[in-house]
Amino acid sequence: GAVVSQHPSRVICKSGTSVKIECRSLDFQATTMFWYRQFPKQSLMLMATSNEGSKATYEQGVEKDKFLINHASLTLSTLTVTSAHPEDSSFYICSASKRSLSGANVLTFGAGSRLTVL
Amino acid sequence: ELKVEQNPLFLSMQEGKNYTIYCNYSTTSDRLYWYRQDPGKSLESLFVLLSNGAVKQEGRLMASLDTKARLSTLHITAAVHDLSATYFCAARYLNFGNEKLTFGTGTRLTIIP
Repeated sequence: GAVVSQHPSRVICKSGTSVKIECRSLDFQATTMFWYRQFPKQSLMLMATSNEGSKATYEQGVEKDKFLINHASLTLSTLTVTSAHPEDSSFYICSASKRSLSGANVLTFGAGSRLTVL
Repeated sequence: ELKVEQNPLFLSMQEGKNYTIYCNYSTTSDRLYWYRQDPGKSLESLFVLLSNGAVKQEGRLMASLDTKARLSTLHITAAVHDLSATYFCAARYLNFGNEKLTFGTGTRLTIIP
């Protein structure tokens, strides 16, 4: 099966600091990874698409200088929340795309990272 | 812009009953996903529906897709407490060659013993 590991699962930081979240595909290579944000009791909002070896594509309204995404290898993408503020507190979820036997791209989601900014 | 709506948003039902969650999407999409999310957890993939008329079943859950009506349904048969969770549908769209998903609003399902 496809497994995506996300770390850390929880992080608490002070306002103004930067936080890095890692997303790893453990048993497959993922040329594309996605980063989502989920506020309490709300749906998932796509923040950006991360392609290995190229710049991430950000969704409208997402500040690329605020949310730095790096996809340095086929198994690792990182999201760095720079100069975090309390309004950045959220649940961040990554997913990696793997092509199934049927030809469909199946997204496997990481366990999520809950960020709390004090 | 692809929009995905689910209804109901909240559903409380007794064990043993049947119910259906509806997922409507606004523009053409050829692939529809259903996910389950438990509180504080990430998403668990339930179904991938690839074509018009597709029907998939796993245990007490059955999902279907009608691409002409832009509608997918998730039917719950004889609900049990373990099915309590939030269920999301998501429709696929292509953007500059990248496959992306737009998620529905989610349906919070509570099964009452």
